[in-house]
Amino acid sequence: EPEVTQTPSHQVTQMGQEVILRCVPISNHLYFYWYRQILGQKVEFLVSFYNNEISEKSEIFDDQFSVERPDGSNFTLKIRSTKLEDSAMYFCASNPEAPGLAAGELFFGEGSRLTVL
Amino acid sequence: DAKTTQPTSMDCAEGRAANLPCNHSTISGNEYVYWYRQIHSQGPQYIIHGLKNNETNEMASLIITEDRKSSTLILPHATLRDTAVYYCIALRTTDSWGKFQFGAGTQVVVTP
Repeated sequence: EPEVTQTPSHQVTQMGQEVILRCVPISNHLYFYWYRQILGQKVEFLVSFYNNEISEKSEIFDDQFSVERPDGSNFTLKIRSTKLEDSAMYFCASNPEAPGLAAGELFFGEGSRLTVL
Repeated sequence: DAKTTQPTSMDCAEGRAANLPCNHSTISGNEYVYWYRQIHSQGPQYIIHGLKNNETNEMASLIITEDRKSSTLILPHATLRDTAVYYCIALRTTDSWGKFQFGAGTQVVVTP
């Protein structure tokens, strides 16, 4: 069964360092998302991405965050200068269908745990 | 998107049906009801969704009341692997599709 894969599974970094989290969405999917979950808290939407541009972003997704689809298969989340509060599990998700059409299933990856020291 | 209300936790015996309620009294006509679950700290997993009619798939059944103000997710034969946090989410099919607002969900513990 096709799946969304994420790397690394766990990354430890120092505060102020740049971090790139990578995702390989399911191959025929067109819509991509990043969510995060701080330990013990709710899963939160960060950003949605379609046709090489951001469709929507949350208040959390400030100028320190960026997303990119560099090569047609990977989808990356970059945090420019990490803060302690960026420590969380980051989930990538993808979907083949267009917003507004028949609603479908969002496929999530297993997550990348980021620990900022 | 409409707010949903779920019980904080519930227990279920292995092999029995688990009935998970969800209230969404302010749901609008174009909002679907979605159910996801999260096992431990894994990525959320889609279970089922519906608009008006009851739905069934290989994982579960979704019963939506006629007025659409509440719904019930039914796991017909719960197993230990069904222990997870279950999320009920109302979402419109608009450009914001995919922007799921996960709440606290219901922690379901299936016991032997």
